Amino acid sequence: AQSVAQPEDQVNVAEGNPLTVKCTYSVSGNPYLFWYVQYPNRGLQFLLKYITGDNLVKGSYGFEAEFNKSQTSFHLKKPSALVSDSALYFCAVRDLNSGGYQKVTFGTGTKLQVIP
Amino acid sequence: DAGVIQSPRHEVTEMGQEVTLRCKPISGHNSLFWYRQTMMRGLELLIYFNNNVPIDDSGMPEDRFSAKMPNASFSTLKIQPSEPRDSAVYFCASSPGTGRFEKLFFGSGTQLSVL
Repeated sequence: AQSVAQPEDQVNVAEGNPLTVKCTYSVSGNPYLFWYVQYPNRGLQFLLKYITGDNLVKGSYGFEAEFNKSQTSFHLKKPSALVSDSALYFCAVRDLNSGGYQKVTFGTGTKLQVIP
Repeated sequence: DAGVIQSPRHEVTEMGQEVTLRCKPISGHNSLFWYRQTMMRGLELLIYFNNNVPIDDSGMPEDRFSAKMPNASFSTLKIQPSEPRDSAVYFCASSPGTGRFEKLFFGSGTQLSVL
């Protein structure tokens, strides 16, 4: 069965510093990986995705993610954090379930707090 | 495009009452998902429709929950009877297709409180 793990419930970073939000995955075939962001009282918004190709994926709002097959990781990164980046971040994997239908599995989420 | 539209935004009801949550997906999208979000359990997939047909309802908690999609532009999630443990934020999401590279578009959610 597919799964994603976000080992940190919360990440604190000072404004202007680089940030990393960690995600590891487990899938039976090729991974289709996503990052979403959730601001307070809002639904999730798509940030970026990895399908194939370049291991460094660039997305919205200056975020990028690095795919590492050997470590089965897909960490979210940003060179310089902004206070407005403070939100809840979800890693997700999309694959086929045992019935042959697509299934999207989300991680438990990591709260990012950027300190001014 | 207006995005995925959910109603109501907030619902407060008493235990035992019927609750109906509504969702209008983005026009042209043929996949629709219902999720439930709680602090304890995170984001859980309840049910998934493709071309208005329920494909995977293995996440529906119990018989008190039911979901329908009578046409491509409307879906409902019904809880009858409601219980306090059903209190959560319920999200609807749609997707253009069934491909594994397709991203999900989420509504703003319905905050349900069952007293």
